[in-house]
Amino acid sequence: GDSVTQMEGPVTLSEEAFLTINCTYTATGYPSLFWYVQYPGEGLQLLLKATKADDKGSNKGFEATYRKETTSFHLEKGSVQVSDSAVYFCALINTGRRALTFGSGTRLQVQP
Amino acid sequence: DGGITQSPKYLFRKEGQNVTLSCEQNLNHDAMYWYRQDPGQGLRLIYYSQIVNDFQKGDIAEGYSVSREKKESFPLTVTSAQKNPTAFYLCASSQTGASNEKLFFGSGTQLSVL
Repeated sequence: GDSVTQMEGPVTLSEEAFLTINCTYTATGYPSLFWYVQYPGEGLQLLLKATKADDKGSNKGFEATYRKETTSFHLEKGSVQVSDSAVYFCALINTGRRALTFGSGTRLQVQP
Repeated sequence: DGGITQSPKYLFRKEGQNVTLSCEQNLNHDAMYWYRQDPGQGLRLIYYSQIVNDFQKGDIAEGYSVSREKKESFPLTVTSAQKNPTAFYLCASSQTGASNEKLFFGSGTQLSVL
C-alpha cells in the first residue's frame, strides 16, 4: 500500500538558518503530494502541494519539488523564523484512494 | 466564519464506557474524515464518509463507529472494544473527487482513559 516516510525529529535550528525536512514516498501510479503544518494545540493546515512530477509547491517561503525519480518531496525554507516552530507532515493521495496518507510528522523547533 | 468544530477539547473515558466525539462543519463539504494521532506515528485514518448516509472503514476502524445522518455532522464513537483509546483525534473535511484535494481540519479532541 501507499506510505510516506519522514525524517525523525525534532529538528532544532537557530533563527535564519536553512531548513530541509526529508520526505520520501511509496505509491503506485501518480499521487499528489502535500505538506501540512500543525501549530501547537491546533489542527493541521495545508502548507503546499504538488500534483505531478517536477511541480514545485510554494507558500510562506517554504518550497517542495515533486521528484518522481527519487520518490521524494523534501520541504525547504531559506531562512526560518521562531514562528515556524511546528510539526510538519508530508502526505499523499493516490488515484482511486479516498483519503490522504500521512507521514509520522517532523517537529521543528526554531530558537531565537 | 466557516470551519470545522470539534468538541469537547478534552474527554475522559472510564473502563467499559462508550464515548462520542463531535465534529461539525459549515463548509458545505461532502467528504468528512476521522484521523487518530499518536506520538511518533503521525495520523492514521479511522473512518471516512464521501456522502451523507455512507461511510467507509479506514486503516484502523476496529473499536470505533461513526454515523453520517447530516452533511454537516460526522460523530465518532469510541467503543469499549477499543483497548487503547488514548490519543488525539482529528476530524477533517474536503470537497470530493479531486486527487489534489485539500483537507480542512478541526482543532482536535484529546481522549484519555481514567
